[in-house]
Amino acid sequence: GAGVSQSPSNKVTEKGKDVELRCDPISGHTALYWYRQSLGQGLEFLIYFQGNSAPDKSGLPSDRFSAERTGGSVSTLTIQRTQQEDSAVYLCASSTRGLAGRDEQFFGPGTRLTVL
Amino acid sequence: AQKVTQAQTEISVVEKEDVTLDCVYETRDTTYYLFWYKQPPSGELVFLIRRNSFDEQNEISGRYSWNFQKSTSSFNFTITASQVVDSAVYFCALSEDFGNEKLTFGTGTRLTIIP
Repeated sequence: GAGVSQSPSNKVTEKGKDVELRCDPISGHTALYWYRQSLGQGLEFLIYFQGNSAPDKSGLPSDRFSAERTGGSVSTLTIQRTQQEDSAVYLCASSTRGLAGRDEQFFGPGTRLTVL
Repeated sequence: AQKVTQAQTEISVVEKEDVTLDCVYETRDTTYYLFWYKQPPSGELVFLIRRNSFDEQNEISGRYSWNFQKSTSSFNFTITASQVVDSAVYFCALSEDFGNEKLTFGTGTRLTIIP
């Protein structure tokens, strides 16, 4: 079946511009996560959506970052007024909560963001 | 707070050698989950294994095996008879039972298998 998809695969933008990154999770997965992978910080959690619950935004690095998930499926991560330190690979993952507790998260291919 | 340490930044071994990747974790929860992911040069994270804190049985899957020891807070990963296709960055990760289900990752170990 189809895995997690993300678009665009690459995004180059100028400092100060806004960007939107999209994630399509695996159909039926109720949980969706955004992570960021950068050379200096490794893999960092950003935000978590579970069903209709309020998202956990505890990992967002600043108020320039926001995310939404429409209809319990597609998610968009928005970065306003991008800065050079926002350059990273943004990874989306989804999972389904099983009876065993933590199910594995399936990751998308990522969006490589470069801020000039 | 939870933390995962992968002290080995890079490892190189000759093909067919065995190699062990170390993972040490910290958590205050009594229920937690441990994971290993592989990130090949293509970049996509691939799930390898999940373990919960109540199951200390070692696991073997083909050439891969995992040793979970709560006494030392370690969850090590061994590749037997390594192959060039095993070359990748390997991440160990932890998820606690309460709160959100985020993964806390180690910094990864870059494994290079030399043909």
